[in-house]
Amino acid sequence: DVQITQSPSYLAASPGETITINCRASKSISKFLAWYQEKPGKTNKLLIYSGSTLQSGIPSRFSGSGSGTDFTLTISSLEPEDFAMYFCQHHNEYPLTFGAGTKLELK
Amino acid sequence: EVLLQQSGPELVKPGASVKIPCKASGYTFIDYNMDWVKQSPGRSLEWIGDVNPNNADTFYNQKFKDKATLTFDTSSSTAYMELRSLTSEDTAVYYCARRGKWLLFMDYWGQGTSVTVSS
Repeated sequence: DVQITQSPSYLAASPGETITINCRASKSISKFLAWYQEKPGKTNKLLIYSGSTLQSGIPSRFSGSGSGTDFTLTISSLEPEDFAMYFCQHHNEYPLTFGAGTKLELK
Repeated sequence: EVLLQQSGPELVKPGASVKIPCKASGYTFIDYNMDWVKQSPGRSLEWIGDVNPNNADTFYNQKFKDKATLTFDTSSSTAYMELRSLTSEDTAVYYCARRGKWLLFMDYWGQGTSVTVSS
């Protein structure tokens, strides 16, 4: 199984800042990594798939990059509604596996 | 609007089984696979498996092969996951999620069903 190591597990930032979250796969997964946002009381939201493809309706301040084993989610100019949990998932092969999550909190 | 409606919390006894529904609306049910995901307290997400309502194919994570059974009912656009021989290790929130078209990511999620295994 592909192991996904996500970092950092916790991040404190302020509105307007730019942050990055990383996921590293235990072997090459080509471009096939997705990013999700988790917020209390809401269903999980797909942000990005295939490494860098923005899901329909997701603001352009969210961007993804990377291929092979190293991937990054960047959120530019943080908005108040962006403070949430983020997790990644590889979608290269079965079984699908997830990163452990990053909690983005208000500084 | 795509919606995946899951049922309320379940309290079940060790050794019992539970069947969790996931009612889909806002799209053609048979056109998309449905994934199921486990989130244990304080732990990461684990993919359980998926079902294809068009041809009834299922694919399971080996870890859950003896634990979960995925089924569906096209007449009600509902997917089901049955968990059997429950232990405290099965206490978790279980999510259904619609598979994206052609690729193995999940584009819409249910709100989750909490299952607590306790005597």
